[in-house]
Amino acid sequence: GAVVSQHPSRVICKSGTSVKIECRSLDFQATTMFWYRQFPKQSLMLMATSNEGSKATYEQGVEKDKFLINHASLTLSTLTVTSAHPEDSSFYICSARLGVGGGEKLFFGSGTQLSVL
Amino acid sequence: DAKTTQPPSMDCAEGRAANLPCNHSTISGNEYVYWYRQIHSQGPQYIIHGLKNNETNEMASLIITEDRKSSTLILPHATLRDTAVYYCIVRVSHSGGSNYKLTFGKGTLLTVNP
Repeated sequence: GAVVSQHPSRVICKSGTSVKIECRSLDFQATTMFWYRQFPKQSLMLMATSNEGSKATYEQGVEKDKFLINHASLTLSTLTVTSAHPEDSSFYICSARLGVGGGEKLFFGSGTQLSVL
Repeated sequence: DAKTTQPPSMDCAEGRAANLPCNHSTISGNEYVYWYRQIHSQGPQYIIHGLKNNETNEMASLIITEDRKSSTLILPHATLRDTAVYYCIVRVSHSGGSNYKLTFGKGTLLTVNP
């Protein structure tokens, strides 16, 4: 299957700093990538849809100025958590869409565990 | 998108078939049924999807009822590594655009026991 690489897998930062997470589709081009957040013992919550060459679309309640998304190429999307606070500590997961029509699927990265002290 | 209902948890003996049910009684004619799973502390993994015909791949089989109001994911010979949360999602499959997205519910925690 297609491979999506996400880095870093784990990051610890101080409150007030910014953290960048990278998501790469290694063997396919992805015009659309998605960013999810998952708190312990909860399901994945979609944060935003990242579109190559255009602005991201954020879900209701997600602060676009706090969670900056850049999708500058067909294989790379980045999520920057700006001025991180302890409540931003979570498991962040990216995914990339492969295919169109009835055959499309999402492939996910391995996730990034963010801990803000 | 149609809402799905799954049991919160199931157990299965190693080597036996695991049958995971999903109800989607409000599914529309153009909505696909997708199955993903998430092993603890990892990203979700695509398993299988279908529209109305039964599907099979190297991982699992998907059985969709004739009225499409429910489906069953079958892992034919469960192993300990199949212990995970399994998500059933129904979704309209668009030909493109930025409005394609998958919304995850709570899923079923499948525990495979030795």
